Amino acid sequence: AQSVTQLDSHVSVSEGTPVLLRCNYSSSYSPSLFWYVQHPNKGLQLLLKYTSAATLVKGINGFEAEFKKSETSFHLTKPSAHMSDAAEYFCVVSRSGGYQKVTFGIGTKLQVIP
Amino acid sequence: KAGVTQTPRYLIKTRGQQVTLSCSPISGHRSVSWYQQTPGQGLQFLFEYFSETQRNKGNFPGRFSGRQFSNSRSEMNVSTLELGDSALYLCASRKTVDSSYNEQFFGPGTRLTVL
Repeated sequence: AQSVTQLDSHVSVSEGTPVLLRCNYSSSYSPSLFWYVQHPNKGLQLLLKYTSAATLVKGINGFEAEFKKSETSFHLTKPSAHMSDAAEYFCVVSRSGGYQKVTFGIGTKLQVIP
Repeated sequence: KAGVTQTPRYLIKTRGQQVTLSCSPISGHRSVSWYQQTPGQGLQFLFEYFSETQRNKGNFPGRFSGRQFSNSRSEMNVSTLELGDSALYLCASRKTVDSSYNEQFFGPGTRLTVL
């Protein structure tokens, strides 16, 4: 069994300040973890994925996430928010072997205040 | 390489009608998944097809069905439309369903409005 919990449904930050979007997962197997972003009326775009090669994963647009097995977390961060970062972000977990059932979090809407 | 394409992009139907949505995956991808996205329920998984076989199914009524063709293209059908079926329907493809770190690529979606 697997699940993913995005701890905040809405996050609001000022432009130029750090972004933290929190994600905790539960998995009976070694997990694959992903973050996707969805801008209004668009499809989802992959931001980054955890591949077990490194616990700190760098993605597009300056985002990164750290895999912490002891805390079962995969939080998404960015040092300085930009107006274009306003979007909805989804944390995703799947197995890393066998049939990869994919489970999405409920999403976190990021608001960036000028 | 072309991305995931979905047709049509917008659709307006009336209650009781049926609708068919189409999804063409990225070349070489053999899996297609469908999701429904609404403001109230968020992103919900409908089903996944791999090599023409349904591999996984979400908790939707039987009015929602799908299929996949030998070229990996997929269609989703909704019969007897209800107002609550109004949503953005997203399609995603991935290469396989059983290899590590195998991400999904999403299409732009089909916006269905039921009047």
